[in-house]
Amino acid sequence: GESVGLHLPTLSVQEGDNSIINCAYSNSASDYFIWYKQESGKGPQFIIDIRSNMDKRQGQRVTVLLNKTVKHLSLQIAATQPGDSAVYFCAEINDYKLSFGAGTTVTVRA
Amino acid sequence: DSGVTQTPKHLITATGQRVTLRCSPRSGDLSVYWYQQSLDQGLQFLIQYYNGEERAKGNILERFSAQQFPDLHSELNLSSLELGDSALYFCASSVVPVAGGSGANVLTFGAGSRLTVL
Repeated sequence: GESVGLHLPTLSVQEGDNSIINCAYSNSASDYFIWYKQESGKGPQFIIDIRSNMDKRQGQRVTVLLNKTVKHLSLQIAATQPGDSAVYFCAEINDYKLSFGAGTTVTVRA
Repeated sequence: DSGVTQTPKHLITATGQRVTLRCSPRSGDLSVYWYQQSLDQGLQFLIQYYNGEERAKGNILERFSAQQFPDLHSELNLSSLELGDSALYFCASSVVPVAGGSGANVLTFGAGSRLTVL
């Protein structure tokens, strides 16, 4: 079935560098996307969302880009900090359900 | 603290047993969701309730059941447990049910209940 997925399961980033986490989705009917961050021992935490009628949305140190043509979603984290180490999930809303991709584990190197 | 409370935090039980996981949603939230997170998988949607009624169903096994009570707390019952049921079970809540194109239904997750079946 159609689902949300991520390009890479792991990402290692130098502290201070920018991080880019990618997500490919296959359900063209999805109209709302969310990025969640999950730290060890905690539940997923909302980071930022974007509607399908938008291409870009910015938050504090984070930017989400949506390319509907190729069904691609990305999360950019500026000036990555040690506290950004976590698993990042993209999720989509379709058919009144919120479906998650497999996640990307981001490790920040000092 | 997200405002979503899950109990117990950890639970160890044997195969064939039955357990109940409890969730209190964030104050003001009417919708409750249950997700399962296994080691090798992402978050799998199980079931959703809104104001006491089942709203959507995902990949929930027949051995599992859930309900939302009048005070809006929810319980997930897992029976005839198997080794493969070992996982983190998350509850989430939102003001209104998940629907496309709206930020009003952003889910807030609890810290999870870790179930270990031996």
